[in-house]
Amino acid sequence: EVQLVQSGAEVKKPGQSLKISCKGSGDGFNKYWIAWVRQVPGKGLEWMGLIYPGDSDTRYSPSFQGQITLSADKSISTVYLRWRSLQASDTAMYYCARIGTGYYDWFDPWGQGTLVTVSS
Amino acid sequence: EIVLSQSPDFQSVTPKEKVTITCRASQDIDSNLHWYQQKPGQSPKLLIKYASQSFSGVPSRFSGSGSGTDFTLTINSLEPEDAATYFCHQSNSLPFTFGGGTKVEIK
Repeated sequence: EVQLVQSGAEVKKPGQSLKISCKGSGDGFNKYWIAWVRQVPGKGLEWMGLIYPGDSDTRYSPSFQGQITLSADKSISTVYLRWRSLQASDTAMYYCARIGTGYYDWFDPWGQGTLVTVSS
Repeated sequence: EIVLSQSPDFQSVTPKEKVTITCRASQDIDSNLHWYQQKPGQSPKLLIKYASQSFSGVPSRFSGSGSGTDFTLTINSLEPEDAATYFCHQSNSLPFTFGGGTKVEIK
């Protein structure tokens, strides 16, 4: 059974860079697409992008294209979400989630989330 | 982009009552619609995939129906532990989108 464990909460200042991680355990991590989802506190869910750890193929939401970079290190079953220059509006909980089969599919399981706070 | 409109935004329900949540897509998405439950402080959990298929381990009181543009999540005989926010999600086309969520409160 695959489990996704995300890196811990971060507090950053505007303009700083950040990279958070999502590590998979169990068989087959590198054979499934992984999605990233943003949730602003008290708000809904927004799909940001997805990545295939096996070859780092990526797809981005137009809302996040150019603002974030997804990457993967298949040797350690880990995917990453990176910002070059954070803004206060990036304050949110970020989840990774495995996609069922292919990438036009349901999301499960989800990681526990990484809370990112951007404040001066 | 496909817009998913969920209703109601909020519902206060007594235990054992039936709950119905709807999700309407802005265009035909076949059965590529999934439902999630998110309890406070937790990650979302998959309940229903492909509009009507119950996910492994999900209690039988949760069911889904619909296809095309109109979908329904039903909770038969609500339990206190069902207090949560429920989201629909379409995987028919990129960018994937979610409904705004329905918060279910237990009276």
